[in-house]
Amino acid sequence: EVQLVQSGAEVKKPGESLKISCKVSGYSFPNYWINWVRQMPGKGLEWMGRIDPADSYTNLSPSFQGHVTLSVDKSISTAYLQWGSLRASDTAMYYCARLGYNSGFPSGFDYWGQGTLVTVSS
Amino acid sequence: DIVMTQSPESLTLALGERATINCRSSQSVLDSSHNKNYLAWYQQKPGQPPKLLIYWASTRDSGVPVRFSGSGSGTDFTLTISSLQPEDVAVYYCQQYSTTPRPFGQGTKVEIK
Repeated sequence: EVQLVQSGAEVKKPGESLKISCKVSGYSFPNYWINWVRQMPGKGLEWMGRIDPADSYTNLSPSFQGHVTLSVDKSISTAYLQWGSLRASDTAMYYCARLGYNSGFPSGFDYWGQGTLVTVSS
Repeated sequence: DIVMTQSPESLTLALGERATINCRSSQSVLDSSHNKNYLAWYQQKPGQPPKLLIYWASTRDSGVPVRFSGSGSGTDFTLTISSLQPEDVAVYYCQQYSTTPRPFGQGTKVEIK
């Protein structure tokens, strides 16, 4: 069974750093891109970026470039989303999601983590 | 970058009625070499992560009820719920995954009258 299990909720102060995780199981981690999606309170879904676990190649949305870092640890089938300096506006739910494939063609984000709620407040 | 525009923002219908949600991309998401539109639809219920309903614009994901259907090609797409059920109350999003960045539409909230 494919599962993406994210780390627990975090409460941080502005300026602090944070790294949240997404541990996958039930499939070969290097074979599927992992995407990160932000959802601010009461708002819609925003695609943040993606990482290829095979070689750590990354694409970030311009809206998030320079503010977050994506990484993976293949040895433990885990992807990470990291901030060096949090802002109050980073308060949101963050989801990891796998890009699926069908017959060799990408077929949408077929499995999602349960979400990690990040609260940034002084 | 591609921009996704959904309409309407919200929809309130009676049980059994047909729901139609539109999605337009600012550029074509059609891979003409393979005749595949890289357009997906997701359903998000309160307190839950999104769930994939439709990919390639019209292919239902495994286990998705047949009352959900997708259509369209190029830049204009539609999600139809043929007969609205109580469990369909949710926000629906379209997303293009043809190029990066991979934006979602703003979402359409579907409620029961």
